Amino acid sequence: QVTLRESGPALVKPTQTLTLTCTFSGFSLSTSGMCVSWVRQPPGKALEWLALIDWDDDKYYSTSLKTRLTISKDTSKNQVVLTMTNMDPVDTATYYCARIQGTYSSSWYVDYWGQGTLVTVSS
Amino acid sequence: SYELTQPPSVSVSPGQTARITCSGDALPKQYAYWYQQKPGQAPVLVIYKDSERPSGIPERFSGSSSGTTVTLTISGVQAEDEADYYCQSADSSGTGAVFGGGTQLTVL
Repeated sequence: QVTLRESGPALVKPTQTLTLTCTFSGFSLSTSGMCVSWVRQPPGKALEWLALIDWDDDKYYSTSLKTRLTISKDTSKNQVVLTMTNMDPVDTATYYCARIQGTYSSSWYVDYWGQGTLVTVSS
Repeated sequence: SYELTQPPSVSVSPGQTARITCSGDALPKQYAYWYQQKPGQAPVLVIYKDSERPSGIPERFSGSSSGTTVTLTISGVQAEDEADYYCQSADSSGTGAVFGGGTQLTVL
């Protein structure tokens, strides 16, 4: 049974750095083809893909946000961490952790989602 | 940056057919995927690799591709299909993923 759970602060101040942790079970991120991704959704708005890390420790980022994002993994702990610097109120969103299976980008799709965590950016 | 374009809304009566389109320049070379999202819930995959249906998804959901446009078709729409639908694909460089802007399906 695959599960993913996001954890991190519910409230951050503008200019601060956000650190989110995805803790997963039911699969190993060292298995070929396994990936974990972060997706966010501002209230009432569309999904936005942020970053992905694969089994081989290759990392991929949203073009528009890549200067602010860092994704990393700890395979022994079954965790993936996303950091986003210089937070702004427009970054207020529900942040989802998601499992993706695929060895190339055209095959990337989410088969399992976490429940999401709402992060509010406000002073 | 690369974009996938969807109509903001589609409305149909129960039993009719709903078609939701998604356009992007790279779609002839990249697979498309469709997700259904109901309020307060995480998205659910309803179509993968343009036209494949995951197990557990009703047969009334189908997908097709033609050039730079992919289409999600829901035949015999039911009230429970009312939701937001998002397409997703790889970006034009093949180094990232992208979601469309979403389409709100209203069942009249």
